[in-house]
Amino acid sequence: NAGVMQNPRHLVRRRGQEARLRCSPMKGHSHVYWYRQLPEEGLKFMVYLQKENIIDESGMPKERFSAEFPKEGPSILRIQQVVRGDSAAYFCASSPPYRAYEQYFGPGTRLTVT
Amino acid sequence: GESVGLHLPTLSVQEGDNSIINCAYSNSASDYFIWYKQESGKGPQFIIDIRSNMDKRQGQRVTVLLNKTVKHLSLQIAATQPGDSAVYFCAENYQGGSEKLVFGKGTKLTVNP
Repeated sequence: NAGVMQNPRHLVRRRGQEARLRCSPMKGHSHVYWYRQLPEEGLKFMVYLQKENIIDESGMPKERFSAEFPKEGPSILRIQQVVRGDSAAYFCASSPPYRAYEQYFGPGTRLTVT
Repeated sequence: GESVGLHLPTLSVQEGDNSIINCAYSNSASDYFIWYKQESGKGPQFIIDIRSNMDKRQGQRVTVLLNKTVKHLSLQIAATQPGDSAVYFCAENYQGGSEKLVFGKGTKLTVNP
């Protein structure tokens, strides 16, 4: 029973490039969440998606960040024109329907902007 | 600011002792409280959750206590083992609003052999 999968595990980008982070939820889970974690800090909510719908994006920066969860394929978190402050670990979580409190996390993508 | 926080950033215990990790929260409307364990370089691992209408819930070697009067949550780990060394986060979930989790900053538990 595969857990939440994320790739790549590590991503290095130069300032101004684009970063694409992918997340495949656990089998049977239709809800996906993205969180960002800075060193020595807790996780901060970014966005909550269901298939083809963004439910809550209150934690997403207004510019350069976008997320999608298409009908087919993984969820994508996209960061355009990356800056050094975007360097962080990005975690994806998934939950079964109606049980948002039961979120299971992937291993994360560690983004480094040089 | 965050509605969930922790009293102590670090905790060091001897192997075999019991550990208690504390958490304070401010949103009295939260429906669920969850504890996660995060090892270095890994994603948070679900440990146990408790619904707001409960005071206590037990799992395997872990117990979560919820005191709604003082808005306090604790995680008790029995017979702590070296493999328990990690950062522990509490999180809360409010079902009536967004289904996001709000995390505290974490407590780093070190188990000494």
